[in-house]
Amino acid sequence: AQSVTQLGSHVSVSEGALVLLRCNYSSSVPPYLFWYVQYPNQGLQLLLKYTTGATLVKGINGFEAEFKKSETSFHLTKPSAHMSDAAEYFCAVSDNAGNMLTFGGGTRLMVKP
Amino acid sequence: ETGVTQSPTHLIKTRGQQVTLRCSSQSGHNTVSWYQQALGQGPQFIFQYYREEENGRGNFPPRFSGLQFPNYSSELNVNALELDDSALYLCASSLDSLGNTEAFFGQGTRLTVV
Repeated sequence: AQSVTQLGSHVSVSEGALVLLRCNYSSSVPPYLFWYVQYPNQGLQLLLKYTTGATLVKGINGFEAEFKKSETSFHLTKPSAHMSDAAEYFCAVSDNAGNMLTFGGGTRLMVKP
Repeated sequence: ETGVTQSPTHLIKTRGQQVTLRCSSQSGHNTVSWYQQALGQGPQFIFQYYREEENGRGNFPPRFSGLQFPNYSSELNVNALELDDSALYLCASSLDSLGNTEAFFGQGTRLTVV
């Protein structure tokens, strides 16, 4: 079974600083990888996903992630943090059918003024 | 606004009771999945329904059951509630495999079992 590990349950950055949220998955290569964001009292919103092709994926709100098979990683980055980026972020992988999602434990991003 | 609505938004139940949570999917979405998100954790897959048939199940006991209706609505039923069932329950609807489309999540139902 797939597993996803997000290093750092809490990450704090200053406004304007680089955001780096880490995600590693278990060794068998999942078909698809995802990053979701969850704002307080809301559901999950898709930021970006990797399916095939280019390993650098661009998403909404200036976020991007790079799939590195050799490192079994799919880290999420944003060059310059904004106060509105404060939220919980979840990395997820799909099963072979592309249906069931396995989520990491989440990283809470805090942005300091 | 994802077009996926869940009801109720909050619910308090007593241990041993039964509960039904509801989800209205986006029109035309033939696939609905349910997830349990305990406090401070990532969502865990409960099961998925495709065209009214169960299409996959996570590591949850049989007292978690579901239904999907022709009008794209669905239900999650939990019998014999336990304290550990307290969580945010999320439903997600999609038109196709997640490689080809996006799953849209509702805002969730927060269930508290006392």
